[in-house]
Amino acid sequence: EVQLVESGGGLVQPGRSLRLSCAASGFTFSTYEMNWVRQAPGKGLEWVSYISSSGDTINYADSVKGRFTISRDNAKNSLYLQMNSLRAEDTAVYYCARDRTVSRFDYWGQGTLVTVSS
Amino acid sequence: DIQMTQSPSSLSASVGDRVTITCRASQSISNYLNWYQQRPGKAPKVLIYAASSLHSGAPSRFSGSGSGTDFTLTISSLQPEDFATYYCQHSYSTLRTFGQGTKLEIK
Repeated sequence: EVQLVESGGGLVQPGRSLRLSCAASGFTFSTYEMNWVRQAPGKGLEWVSYISSSGDTINYADSVKGRFTISRDNAKNSLYLQMNSLRAEDTAVYYCARDRTVSRFDYWGQGTLVTVSS
Repeated sequence: DIQMTQSPSSLSASVGDRVTITCRASQSISNYLNWYQQRPGKAPKVLIYAASSLHSGAPSRFSGSGSGTDFTLTISSLQPEDFATYYCQHSYSTLRTFGQGTKLEIK
């Protein structure tokens, strides 16, 4: 059974950093592209970042470019999102999602809540 | 970047109704268009991919059509569990923008 489990969310002050993790199981992680998607309270889905299966191609939404860094460790079946210089508008549930190449996000984690507040 | 625009933003309908939601891309995306359903407090689930292909496990009352810039999601006969928010998303590039969502409510 495919499972994606996010962790690392919590309350953080503006300007500080946080690192999210996504533990994958039930599939060959190293062969799939992965993404982070977030959803602010009461708002829609916002795609945040993409990483190719090998990690050599990465993209970011303009709203996080230069502050967030996506990475993966295929040996540990894990996806990461390093979030620096956090702002109040980064408050959201963050989901990791498996990517079927040039296609849909077919599996999602349950999400982890990040709250940026003083 | 490709922008995705859905309409309407919200919709009221009754059980048994046929409902259509539209999605427009800011440039041609061929058939690289997906539809997701999200219930409150839950992660999204994919319904339709490649504009018109039904994802495994999605009910057959859901269908999609379109190509280029204009797409539609149709629910043939609304069921109580279909009242949720629906999102389109392009997969034309690795910057996978979503539409703003359409909230489907019970009339």
